[in-house]
Amino acid sequence: EVQLVESGGGLVQPGGSLRLSCAGSGFTFSYYEMNWVRQAPGKGLEWVSYISNSGDTIYYADSVKGRFTISRDNAKNSLFLQMSSLRAEDTGVYYCARGDLGYCSGGSCYSHYWGQGTLVTVSS
Amino acid sequence: EIVLTQSPGTLSLSPGERATLSCRASQSVSSNYLAWYQQKPGQAPRLLIYGASRRATGIPDRLSGSGSGTDFTLTISRLEPEDFAVYYCQQYGSSPTFGQGTKVEIK
Repeated sequence: EVQLVESGGGLVQPGGSLRLSCAGSGFTFSYYEMNWVRQAPGKGLEWVSYISNSGDTIYYADSVKGRFTISRDNAKNSLFLQMSSLRAEDTGVYYCARGDLGYCSGGSCYSHYWGQGTLVTVSS
Repeated sequence: EIVLTQSPGTLSLSPGERATLSCRASQSVSSNYLAWYQQKPGQAPRLLIYGASRRATGIPDRLSGSGSGTDFTLTISRLEPEDFAVYYCQQYGSSPTFGQGTKVEIK
């Protein structure tokens, strides 16, 4: 069974930093492209970042470019999101998501499997 | 960036009725790379449809996706109690974007 489990969320002050982690199991992690998607409270979904299976190709949404860094450790079946210079508008639930093999187009994917999400609150 | 506009914002229907949800793109979606998700309160989204019309594993055939280019539709032929939720469309033909969602509520 495919499982994605996020951790690392919490309360942080504006301008602060936070590192999210996502542990994958039930599949060969190193085969799959991965994404982070977030959802502000009571709002819709927003794609945040993409990383290829090898980690060589990375994309970011304009709203986080220069502040967030995605990475992965295939040996540990883990995905990360380093977030810095956090703003109030970064508040929300952050989901780690996996697509299906062969169905990403130039770094853009649908997400078949999602974690339960981790809540990030940016507030003073 | 492709902007996806979903309509209506809220759909009030009774169990057994047919639901038709629309997703319109600001420009043509490459290769009809359009997905639909269902989300219930406190839960992660669930993939329903990808490639505009292909049902994900385990999705009942009362849900169907159609459309191409800039106009896409999710149809639920007969609403079951578990279908009342928020539905999002997403395009993945270019940098991914989501629609703002349609809430299907019990009338």
